[in-house]
This record gives sequence, structure tokens and C-alpha cells, in this order.
Amino acid sequence: DAGVIQSPRHEVTEMGQEVTLRCKPISGHNSLFWYRQTMMRGLELLIYFNNNVPIDDSGMPEDRFSAKMPNASFSTLKIQPSEPRDSAVYFCASSAQPSSGSRSEQYFGPGTRLTVT
Amino acid sequence: GNSVTQMEGPVTLSEEAFLTINCTYTATGYPSLFWYVQYPGEGLQLLLKATKADDKGSNKGFEATYRKETTSFHLEKGSVQVSDSAVYFCALSTSGTYKYIFGTGTRLKVLA
Repeated sequence: DAGVIQSPRHEVTEMGQEVTLRCKPISGHNSLFWYRQTMMRGLELLIYFNNNVPIDDSGMPEDRFSAKMPNASFSTLKIQPSEPRDSAVYFCASSAQPSSGSRSEQYFGPGTRLTVT
Repeated sequence: GNSVTQMEGPVTLSEEAFLTINCTYTATGYPSLFWYVQYPGEGLQLLLKATKADDKGSNKGFEATYRKETTSFHLEKGSVQVSDSAVYFCALSTSGTYKYIFGTGTRLKVLA
């Protein structure tokens, strides 16, 4: 299996521009998570989906951030307009969750390093 | 609510030293517990897991035992190597939610 795929791996953009990050989860996984990691705030959960439906977006910083999952094999995280404080590494993760019982592990992608100047 | 508390880092050890990274948790119900490792410039990787009380997860010489009575899941390794230098995250998830709760991470540096 190719694992979780994220693109681009690096993104440098100017303040005010739109940024779109992409994620392809592992085939067969039914849960998808977007995280942001910074030195100051550590690892933060932004939003997660189950069976393509957003379950909890309470971690999304503000209206400038939006996420979609149009099908089981693709998700996007969009920032519009971007600001320098959005600079971070953004991770996508997926897992195969049963409807009940023990939770299985998450598989993380390599991350997208975003720099907003 | 659910939470995970990890010991503050960084932890600096000499090669072949014994490693312990403490992790305690608060959770309703019976969570699954995980240790993840993040090497520089990479995403998090699962290191080991345990799904019920008294289970011991192990991988690559690392071990952790699910202790319900002390609500702990401490990570141990008998002899660390330079290649173990990384950030280690303790995490939990419960059957009542799809959400995972991660600790703040503990940076380990092993010196040759």
C-alpha cells in the first residue's frame, strides 16, 4: 500500500493568496483527519471525517479554513486568504474504524510544510 | 473530558541507557492507547498500541503496558540507540468517538 499521500510537500505563498492542500487516504479507510503542527502549539486536530461526512470541525481556526471530502479517496484543506500565522506543517491521517469496539491506529501522511510570507 | 499527559522534554540520554517516558491519561470508558514516533521531517508513525487493561504493546525494543489502576501507559526501552532520537507522542481513543487525543510529545536525544 502506498500509505497516505499528501500534496504538495512544500508550499510557499504570499499573504492573501489561496492555498489548497490535498490528501489521498489509504484505500478502505473510513476516517480522515487533518492536523496542524507548530513549535508553539504542538499537534492540533483541525477537523475529522467519517464516511466522508465531517464529524467535528471545532478545531478549525476560523472561517478562512475549510475542508471537504467529496469521496472516499480524496480530501482538501483550503485556506483563503492565507496569513503568515498559518505557517505550519499540515498532516492528513486516515484510519479504519469499526462502528463499535476498540479503536484502530491512525496512519499519517508525510505532511505539507506551508510557509506564508 | 479525555486527556493525555506526557512528561516534559527534552530527554537526553547516552547510547545504551535505559529509557522511560511517562504517560498518564484520563478517559471515560475503556480507551485504546498508542505510542507514536516522529522522526525529523516526517509524519507520525505508530510505534505500539494496547487495546485493553494489562495488554503490553511492543515494537523495535520499545514496550508499554496498559495500567488501568494507575491510568498510565509509560514507554520503556532497555538500551537506546542514536537512531531512536525523535519525538514520541502518547495518544488515546475511545469507542464513543472517532477522535484521538494526543499528548504534547517528548523529544528524545540520544548521544553517541
